[in-house]
Amino acid sequence: RKEVEQDPGPFNVPEGATVAFNCTYSNSASQSFFWYRQDCRKEPKLLMSVYSSGNEDGRFTAQLNRASQYISLLIRDSKLSDSATYLCVVNWVSGSARQLTFGSGTQLTVLP
Amino acid sequence: GAGVSQTPSNKVTEKGKYVELRCDPISGHTALYWYRQSLGQGPEFLIYFQGTGAADDSGLPNDRFFAVRPEGSVSTLKIQRTERGDSAVYLCASSSDGMNTGELFFGEGSRLTVL
Repeated sequence: RKEVEQDPGPFNVPEGATVAFNCTYSNSASQSFFWYRQDCRKEPKLLMSVYSSGNEDGRFTAQLNRASQYISLLIRDSKLSDSATYLCVVNWVSGSARQLTFGSGTQLTVLP
Repeated sequence: GAGVSQTPSNKVTEKGKYVELRCDPISGHTALYWYRQSLGQGPEFLIYFQGTGAADDSGLPNDRFFAVRPEGSVSTLKIQRTERGDSAVYLCASSSDGMNTGELFFGEGSRLTVL
């Protein structure tokens, strides 16, 4: 079983739609959580952190449920420029060891 | 530039050859990470350096893989006796705070193809 699992996708949605991605993680010792965005043949870039209380950044809302080990990302009013792969990322720290573990990603295509 | 720089951007080699991939992190970043990414997959952790030392090398798949960061800045990932399964994009990332904020700054990657 993968440590971080995401919706397989791909998601193809029209401009203006609302789309939600889900992610589950298996390591209960995970300490912090993030969404990264990766454009085709480009490097991943941090989109936003995910907090237990939920957090919003413009059209993007992230939620964390520690009890269920579940993370979500909601995108409202989708734009063509939102087309990318969204990577769910989990961080754990143990002594000197630190790892950001990435999910396989969910591909989003926003259609005109 | 001010970002993470990786060379070469593309490397094609034959099975059994030795390969070195170089990463020049953002100036002042003490933490450096190597990941590799295969098509359709997320980045897979390989190794993490804090300064000159490898603080976590648990992701290295076997003893053919080795990485160094002798002066706490530039890092080199070394792959011996390459195999076709080593073909992937090798991503380097750096951060200023060892993941406390979760923001890693990635380079554009070195695409390795083993024939």
